[in-house]
Amino acid sequence: GAVVSQHPSRVICKSGTSVKIECRSLDFQATTMFWYRQFPKQSLMLMATSNEGSKATYEQGVEKDKFLINHASLTLSTLTVTSAHPEDSSFYICSALKGQRFYNEQFFGPGTRLTVL
Amino acid sequence: AQTVTQSQPEMSVQEAETVTLSCTYDTSESDYYLFWYKQPPSRQMILVIRQEAYKQQNATENRFSVNFQKAAKSFSLKISDSQLGDAAMYFCAYGEETSGSRLTFGEGTQLTVNP
Repeated sequence: GAVVSQHPSRVICKSGTSVKIECRSLDFQATTMFWYRQFPKQSLMLMATSNEGSKATYEQGVEKDKFLINHASLTLSTLTVTSAHPEDSSFYICSALKGQRFYNEQFFGPGTRLTVL
Repeated sequence: AQTVTQSQPEMSVQEAETVTLSCTYDTSESDYYLFWYKQPPSRQMILVIRQEAYKQQNATENRFSVNFQKAAKSFSLKISDSQLGDAAMYFCAYGEETSGSRLTFGEGTQLTVNP
């Protein structure tokens, strides 16, 4: 199998502060990682595609200046929620694509619960 | 844009019985992939089964099988001999290689397994 970790698993912050969430592929290299957002009892919504060594590709309606993504190595992508507000409170999930071809599986991290007070 | 629809927000099944979860999708592409993911209370997403659109044979993984009807754009998941550990939220997902492997998820079906 393949393992993807996220850190932290839970974070509580004050409104106006920035929060960084890390996504690591522990036993494989991932050129491509994805960031999702999930509200309670709802589906996963893709926020952006993170490509190692290049700028992230954001989905329509996602503010790239609000959600900064950096994919600096083949095993690490970070999502920074800048100037967080209560409406940013959500469950954030990353996934990492193992291999170069699509039919290789996406492996998901355990998620990070962000609460903004 | 591709859409994925799961019309059953909640389903329940008795332990050891069989249950079928429904999924329909909309696409103009001919080459794509379909997935069923399981999300238990831990929120960890787990791949249950995958189907390549170019394959006519329905995918199976132990107690899990799919009924893939390409013309009808339907992709249902059958769980046989349901176990208590099958209780979870199940998401149907669609993806294309041409779109960079991005996945579109359905709304999810919450499955309850009754002892």
